[in-house]
Amino acid sequence: DSGVTQTPKHLITATGQRVTLRCSPRSGDLSVYWYQQSLDQGLQFLIQYYNGEERAKGNILERFSAQQFPDLHSELNLSSLELGDSALYFCASSAQPNEKLFFGSGTQLSVL
Amino acid sequence: AQSVAQPEDQVNVAEGNPLTVKCTYSVSGNPYLFWYVQYPNRGLQFLLKYITGDNLVKGSYGFEAEFNKSQTSFHLKKPSALVSDSALYFCAVRGTGNTGKLIFGQGTTLQVKP
Repeated sequence: DSGVTQTPKHLITATGQRVTLRCSPRSGDLSVYWYQQSLDQGLQFLIQYYNGEERAKGNILERFSAQQFPDLHSELNLSSLELGDSALYFCASSAQPNEKLFFGSGTQLSVL
Repeated sequence: AQSVAQPEDQVNVAEGNPLTVKCTYSVSGNPYLFWYVQYPNRGLQFLLKYITGDNLVKGSYGFEAEFNKSQTSFHLKKPSALVSDSALYFCAVRGTGNTGKLIFGQGTTLQVKP
């Protein structure tokens, strides 16, 4: 168990809908990272937060947004969903930006 | 931009034989390199990292990796493979900007046959 908790584990929704994925980092970790894993794109970095502030941005679509709350948990919001958004979304955390990342088990999103 | 490449989609080895999973990197500045493993329906687990120092890095579960600056490679190795090592392996490099984000390769599926 990595100590990173992601909910829900599975999410099935329809095109055009909006969903929220939640991540609780390891106790004390200030950095949270979001990744998308799909068969055609591999593991893509989306966005990073550090102690509530956005720290780095990757290949995140404008339809997607994220935030980190004062208790350090993070949420990834996906809106106007398309079939191609179906993927496994991972959250990871680290104590400091230059330390190793600990990954959650992921949220499997299926857009039908 | 930082990037890694894993040239093999799949590696097959027999149990008890040595295994190598290849990774090459392209970076500006000093490379910070990592290997992670993903078992089915699980998140990624850290195996080892190279920041600086010895070119041979030892990690979890008997894995090690050899950093080769002249060949810009960071191959993952294990002297004797186990069936339980069968999984998806990712090489990663730290991105620019000192943010800590990792840029991952496409992954290599390791299949160890009894």
